[in-house]
Amino acid sequence: GAVVSQHPSWVICKSGTSVKIECRSLDFQATTMFWYRQFPKQSLMLMATSNEGSKATYEQGVEKDKFLINHASLTLSTLTVTSAHPEDSSFYICSAETGRASEAFFGQGTRLTVV
Amino acid sequence: GESVGLHLPTLSVQEGDNSIINCAYSNSASDYFIWYKQESGKGPQFIIDIRSNMDKRQGQRVTVLLNKTVKHLSLQIAATQPGDSAVYFCAENTGANSKLTFGKGITLSVRP
Repeated sequence: GAVVSQHPSWVICKSGTSVKIECRSLDFQATTMFWYRQFPKQSLMLMATSNEGSKATYEQGVEKDKFLINHASLTLSTLTVTSAHPEDSSFYICSAETGRASEAFFGQGTRLTVV
Repeated sequence: GESVGLHLPTLSVQEGDNSIINCAYSNSASDYFIWYKQESGKGPQFIIDIRSNMDKRQGQRVTVLLNKTVKHLSLQIAATQPGDSAVYFCAENTGANSKLTFGKGITLSVRP
């Protein structure tokens, strides 16, 4: 299957700082990438849909000014958690769509801990 | 006060037995369904998918069954192995915008 790489795989940051997470499609071009958040023992919740060259579409209840998404190229989308707080601590996962019949592949996830 | 979090249901099976993991989906307009496996600390891994014009699809050791009448999806794993221990999620897509909606997830625990 297609490879999606996320970086970093884990990060610890101080409250009030910003953290950037990268999602790259390594062997295919992805016009659409998705960002999810997953709390312990819960399912994945879609945060936003990232389209190359345009503004991201956020799900209801997700603050777009807090979770900045940039999809500047067909292989890279970034999620920046601004002014992070302990309640933002979570597992953030991206997926990239191959363009073939809704097929999407997931990155390995980023564990964010805000202290 | 004490907070109460969600807990994933657990299916415990003996190594070598067959496993059946069930999922009820919500949107009758969904036309594409996927099963994912998620190991601890990792992202979801694609297992098998099925489109709404089918009711059964087989892969290597896995079979997905779709019953659109009752909006039910199941994943069957033959000869379950310790490496199959993980959390399994079903996901549905309506095809309108390629967004996936994930089910709650089930933890599969394989007893040696």
